[in-house]
Amino acid sequence: DTEVTQTPKHLVMGMTNKKSLKCEQHMGHRAMYWYKQKAKKPPELMFVYSYEKLSINESVPSRFSPECPNSSLLNLHLHALQPEDSALYLCASSQEGQGNSPLHFGNGTRLTVT
Amino acid sequence: GQNIDQPTEMTATEGAIVQINCTYQTSGFNGLFWYQQHAGEAPTFLSYNVLDGLEEKGRFSSFLSRSKGYSYLLLKELQMKDSASYLCAVSFDRGSTLGRLYFGRGTQLTVWP
Repeated sequence: DTEVTQTPKHLVMGMTNKKSLKCEQHMGHRAMYWYKQKAKKPPELMFVYSYEKLSINESVPSRFSPECPNSSLLNLHLHALQPEDSALYLCASSQEGQGNSPLHFGNGTRLTVT
Repeated sequence: GQNIDQPTEMTATEGAIVQINCTYQTSGFNGLFWYQQHAGEAPTFLSYNVLDGLEEKGRFSSFLSRSKGYSYLLLKELQMKDSASYLCAVSFDRGSTLGRLYFGRGTQLTVWP
């Protein structure tokens, strides 16, 4: 069982749709992350929030918009996506955002863009 | 990124021991993590090394040599359920790399009966 909960588990959306991915953790972690993972590839970092502030944006296209409403919640708003954006989107959290503590991953949202 | 290198694939039989190696660039090294990922699932944390030496956790052990930029994950008494991808991930402590975890491409381990 994972302590990081992601919803939905699966999402199919068209290129003109607007949808949101949600992530929640109750471990008191102060850093939260979005990763994108394609089949047979390692996770790629997209965004890092540290103490509810965006600390890293890995030059992600603006059609992906992160939001951190509070220390337990992380959203990823999606708009005008492309088929190549289809992937597994992983949320993770860690005690701090300096790379000294392990990431705890959610089970991911498998996104298909048609 | 950061020259993290690990073998793409390995195979072994049930009950055997397997060692998965990982090398990385040493400049600015902060710590090294190993994760296990089954197909279609999220990565799960296995171990964290920051100092030289061996960390043992049951059937899994992880070793680090900071000066050589080298780590390995040792899996003993292999079971079929150990078939998975094993990801080496490194954090660095300076400048633009701070807070980023760089993943290797993963080693796909297949355990045969």
